[in-house]
Amino acid sequence: SQQGEEDPQALSIQEGENATMNCSYKTSINNLQWYRQNSGRGLVHLILIRSNEREKHSGRLRVTLDTSKKSSSLLITASRAADTASYFCATGSNSGYALNFGKGTSLLVTP
Amino acid sequence: DTAVSQTPKYLVTQMGNDKSIKCEQNLGHDTMYWYKQDSKKFLKIMFSYNNKELIINETVPNRFSPKSPDKAHLNLHINSLELGDSAVYFCASSDLAGVDDEQFFGPGTRLTVL
Repeated sequence: SQQGEEDPQALSIQEGENATMNCSYKTSINNLQWYRQNSGRGLVHLILIRSNEREKHSGRLRVTLDTSKKSSSLLITASRAADTASYFCATGSNSGYALNFGKGTSLLVTP
Repeated sequence: DTAVSQTPKYLVTQMGNDKSIKCEQNLGHDTMYWYKQDSKKFLKIMFSYNNKELIINETVPNRFSPKSPDKAHLNLHINSLELGDSAVYFCASSDLAGVDDEQFFGPGTRLTVL
């Protein structure tokens, strides 16, 4: 299965600290995506990193991709209480037409 | 200016009933999806449609029947509901078919089967 696995399952930090979440996957990919899900809401796309990219930035987000280790990390710098959410990595399914999501990292940022 | 909308937001029903969930996107996307998220937040693809044509059916029981009357709509009908169908169902859309494009998700429909 292409399914990603996030680590840790849960993370609790204080506002202002950085949060790092990791994702591992099993087979080769064209790209890897990160999504955020606030409680009771749908998923929101954060960033897409292609297999030939090693690092990508978007605001306070930094994503790295290491295809040799089949892993990616999402770093949120200077976290805010509003960053409290679940974060999912996603890779392409075997069919190539849908995404396989990991089980997510639940991030809690306390003031 | 809702991008992907679903109705209803909550659905509580008895085992054995038949129910439908509706999804609409106003993004002009060609591809729409249904995902199921269980109580442990595990999100799994159920169906994918491209230009009203089914392109993925991920081993979903045939009690689930998606219908796409046009590119902007993908509805999900569920027959003979079972307890295990309780979950949150998300509709999503993307411009391109495939995994090289970001997906836009609806707010979800929480289905509870009693």
